[in-house]
Amino acid sequence: GNSVTQMEGPVTLSEEAFLTINCTYTATGYPSLFWYVQYPGEGLQLLLKATKADDKGSNKGFEATYRKETTSFHLEKGSVQVSDSAVYFCARRNSGNTPLVFGKGTRLSVIA
Amino acid sequence: GAVVSQHPSRVICKSGTSVKIECRSLDFQATTMFWYRQFPKQSLMLMATSNEGSKATYEQGVEKDKFLINHASLTLSTLTVTSAHPEDSSFYICSSPGGEMNTEAFFGQGTRLTVV
Repeated sequence: GNSVTQMEGPVTLSEEAFLTINCTYTATGYPSLFWYVQYPGEGLQLLLKATKADDKGSNKGFEATYRKETTSFHLEKGSVQVSDSAVYFCARRNSGNTPLVFGKGTRLSVIA
Repeated sequence: GAVVSQHPSRVICKSGTSVKIECRSLDFQATTMFWYRQFPKQSLMLMATSNEGSKATYEQGVEKDKFLINHASLTLSTLTVTSAHPEDSSFYICSSPGGEMNTEAFFGQGTRLTVV
């Protein structure tokens, strides 16, 4: 079936550290891939997306590359800030009107 | 981008009462709305899919008589939690796929329900 697996949290980093949150997906169909962010007490916001192999999504210093050969969509940021503290969800979606399938989420805490 | 407005953002109710959550698409017609539930420190789990003018489809293990979904118009979908119990306390969030040409889904702000 369709599933998304992302690294377990929580992840605690110092400000300006490098961030990687791993995400892999099952290779069924030709999914679009997404990273969503949820700040404390809020709903989900789209962070970035990629719709086909080798696409790179980027936003706010975050980036992720759609790797078909490794079925991965790892999230990276070169220098995290305290304001990046949130829960990050990797997700996939097969076609326009199907629901997103989410990973379990990874909580990131960035300390000054 | 497209906006989905969800209300209320927070609600506290007594056990046994019912709570209605509304999701409105503000600048597009939402023929489909997905309803998710998120327990503390867990991921979003799809509860049901509502389609305008037809019955909602529920995921396995979700009680259709308890979580009533109505999608009476192209801009409004509602979820009513009936006879709420403390174990129904959760974060409920709606999402519209935004149409076939849209890879992105649009989310409401979420509703935090606390049943006391």
